[in-house]
Amino acid sequence: DSGVTQTPKHLITATGQRVTLRCSPRSGDLSVYWYQQSLDQGLQFLIQYYNGEERAKGNILERFSAQQFPDLHSELNLSSLELGDSALYFCASSPGTGGEKLFFGSGTQLSVL
Amino acid sequence: AQSVAQPEDQVNVAEGNPLTVKCTYSVSGNPYLFWYVQYPNRGLQFLLKYITGDNLVKGSYGFEAEFNKSQTSFHLKKPSALVSDSALYFCAVRVAGGGSYIPTFGRGTSLIVHP
Repeated sequence: DSGVTQTPKHLITATGQRVTLRCSPRSGDLSVYWYQQSLDQGLQFLIQYYNGEERAKGNILERFSAQQFPDLHSELNLSSLELGDSALYFCASSPGTGGEKLFFGSGTQLSVL
Repeated sequence: AQSVAQPEDQVNVAEGNPLTVKCTYSVSGNPYLFWYVQYPNRGLQFLLKYITGDNLVKGSYGFEAEFNKSQTSFHLKKPSALVSDSALYFCAVRVAGGGSYIPTFGRGTSLIVHP
């Protein structure tokens, strides 16, 4: 068990809808990373937060947004969903911003129908 | 651009035989390199990292990786494969961006160990 909790584990929704994915980092970790894993794109970095502030942004669509709350949990919001957004979304955490060792949650499998 | 490549989608090996999972990288400056493993229905787990020093790095579950600067490679190895090693393996390189360091992952290599 990595100590990183992601909910829900599975999410099935329709095109055009909006969903929220939740992540609780490992106790003491201040950084949260979001990654998208799909068969055609592999593991793609979306966004990183550190102690409540956005620190780095990757290949995140404008329809997607995220935030990290004072208790350090993070939420990834996906809106106007398209079929191509179907993927496994991972949250990872680390103590700092060095990215030297990430602890991954088990992921949220999103299916857009 | 900084990137990592895993040239093999799948590696097959017999149990008890040595295994190698290949990774090459492209980065400006000195790389920090990592290997992670993903078992079915699980998140990625850290195996090992290279930052500096000895080119042979030892990690979890008997795995090791060899850093080769001239060949820009960081291949994962294990002397004797186990069926339980069957999983998806990811190589990653740390990149810098906006004061933070974001690991960029390869596409992954599926390791299948046959009994």
